[in-house]
Amino acid sequence: NAGVTQTPKFQVLKTGQSMTLQCAQDMNHNSMYWYRQDPGMGLRLIYYSASEGTTDKGEVPNGYNVSRLNKREFSLRLESAAPSQTSVYFCASSQRGGANTGELFFGEGSRLTVL
Amino acid sequence: QKEVEQDPGPLSVPEGAIVSLNCTYSNSAFQYFMWYRQYSRKGPELLMYTYSSGNKEDGRFTAQVDKSSKYISLFIRDSQPSDSATYLCAMSLGGFKTIFGAGTRLFVKA
Repeated sequence: NAGVTQTPKFQVLKTGQSMTLQCAQDMNHNSMYWYRQDPGMGLRLIYYSASEGTTDKGEVPNGYNVSRLNKREFSLRLESAAPSQTSVYFCASSQRGGANTGELFFGEGSRLTVL
Repeated sequence: QKEVEQDPGPLSVPEGAIVSLNCTYSNSAFQYFMWYRQYSRKGPELLMYTYSSGNKEDGRFTAQVDKSSKYISLFIRDSQPSDSATYLCAMSLGGFKTIFGAGTRLFVKA
């Protein structure tokens, strides 16, 4: 059972380059999320998708765009990468949302370095 | 001031010790309280999930929520080397936005 799968696992970019992080879940969950994790900062929500066809900003959306391609897939795009976007990115999904999000299931992370 | 404060550690204990991990928070409206465990280079996984105040026990793990003090705790009894990980507290109002603490690194020495 794969759960939440993220690609790529590692990426090095130069400032100004663009890239897309891919995420897919096979648990038939309705909601999907993108977080970034930085030392001393914990996990911070970038964007989320409550259900297929909807996306909303989280705590730190600037410099990112997302696409909920279908119920399984949720991608995160950096249009013009900056060194401040060097981080570990986690995709997550949950069965429920709204009043009680319930358990978040995380992927293994994508480690991005922007030079 | 961060909404959720968590001592980053590291916390080093001998095998068999009782471990206490804590978080404080500022938003009294939080209703859902969680502890996630994260092994090195892995994604977080849910350990404990509590709604509102009180205690919850699951095997060697006990989660406590004191809403009057805005303080949550995770206790690990009979700690094992396999418990060595980073522990993240998390809380939510309900809805889609979960706020995480920075995590406490725990080392359990054999």
